[in-house]
Amino acid sequence: GAVVSQHPSRVICKSGTSVKIECRSLDFQATTMFWYRQFPKQSLMLMATSNEGSKATYEQGVEKDKFLINHASLTLSTLTVTSAHPEDSSFYICSARGVSAREGGAQYFGPGTRLLVL
Amino acid sequence: GEDVEQSLFLSVREGDSSVINCTYTDSSSTYLYWYKQEPGAGLQLLTYIFSNMDMKQDQRLTVLLNKKDKHLSLRIADTQTGDSAIYFCAESTGTASKLTFGTGTRLQVTL
Repeated sequence: GAVVSQHPSRVICKSGTSVKIECRSLDFQATTMFWYRQFPKQSLMLMATSNEGSKATYEQGVEKDKFLINHASLTLSTLTVTSAHPEDSSFYICSARGVSAREGGAQYFGPGTRLLVL
Repeated sequence: GEDVEQSLFLSVREGDSSVINCTYTDSSSTYLYWYKQEPGAGLQLLTYIFSNMDMKQDQRLTVLLNKKDKHLSLRIADTQTGDSAIYFCAESTGTASKLTFGTGTRLQVTL
């Protein structure tokens, strides 16, 4: 149990275009989903926390108009990178925490999406 | 703010035990976790421990927690080549709280 999927796994886009990444909890309901960014050989950087049906909470320094987050249901959250630029190229990982907050409220992670902006 | 530190690299021989260490600063940490990340993949939850526990064992994995020293360790018995990955410790102050991740320890298993 506790499987999280992400789509797409890899995307290449032109500078100035927008890219949408989906995060789904497949076998549990997630009241809270998280979006992280990971640079090569570094730890995860939390970008935002989203709760189903409400606005996302962004971490300091993360532009909310640049990284649009929607958490429309208990199993789906989306991250849209708007007007992407080469510096947005990164590995984006989502995670989900179940309604029951089992396993000490652990977050379950998706496989990640590698974004390359040309 | 909270800080979680790990050594960057550990190399062990196949069959030996691996011990990955983690220190944290937040005295209100309630849950501590160990995650594994293989190249190009997301993070896999290995185990977690509640702050009122000293030890937790799950098959080849043993977690030790010294709350006084704010020190957490993960011991992997009979380390295999498939254990080669980056291991992250993380802490939270409650089941609804954010996770603070360590810097990650790259485990290399040699033959």
